[in-house]
Amino acid sequence: GAVVSQHPSRVICKSGTSVKIECRSLDFQATTMFWYRQFPKQSLMLMATSNEGSKATYEQGVEKDKFLINHASLTLSTLTVTSAHPEDSSFYICSASTGNSGNTIYFGEGSWLTVV
Amino acid sequence: QKEVEQNSGPLSVPEGAIASLNCTYSDRGSQSFFWYRQYSGKSPELIMFIYSNGDKEDGRFTAQLNKASQYVSLLIRDSQPSDSATYLCAVKVDKYGNKLVFGAGTILRVKS
Repeated sequence: GAVVSQHPSRVICKSGTSVKIECRSLDFQATTMFWYRQFPKQSLMLMATSNEGSKATYEQGVEKDKFLINHASLTLSTLTVTSAHPEDSSFYICSASTGNSGNTIYFGEGSWLTVV
Repeated sequence: QKEVEQNSGPLSVPEGAIASLNCTYSDRGSQSFFWYRQYSGKSPELIMFIYSNGDKEDGRFTAQLNKASQYVSLLIRDSQPSDSATYLCAVKVDKYGNKLVFGAGTILRVKS
């Protein structure tokens, strides 16, 4: 299947700082990538849809100024958590669509963010 | 009503048995259906997808889709302890473009 890579897999940052998470589609071009957040024992929550070359579309209740998304190329989208707080600690996962007739969506490995 | 519903479980089955996971969805415009497996602390991994009514088999896994009744199921034959995970049903709804709507997931426990 298609490969989606996320980096870093784990990151610890101090409260008030910003942290960037990268999502790359390794063997296909992804015009659309999605960013999810998952708290322990809860389901995936879609945060935003990242479109190459245009502004991201955020889900209701997600602060776009806090979670900055940039999709500068067909293989890279980044999520920056700005002014992080302990309540932002979560598992962040990106996914990308292969865009073929199946439009199957594959997930990255996820990034554990801990804000201390 | 949630757009995609799953029984949270846990569903416990003995090793070697068939595990049956069910999912219902509310939007009749849904076109594509996906099953993902998620181990604790890991990202979801795609098991299979189905678009047409009927059964689709891949190894020990069979997805079943019934659009008239708006349900999709996943059967796991010869269940193994390594199959113990949370299984997520996801539906692609036309009105949301390429976005997947996920169910809350069903916890499966296969006991040896």
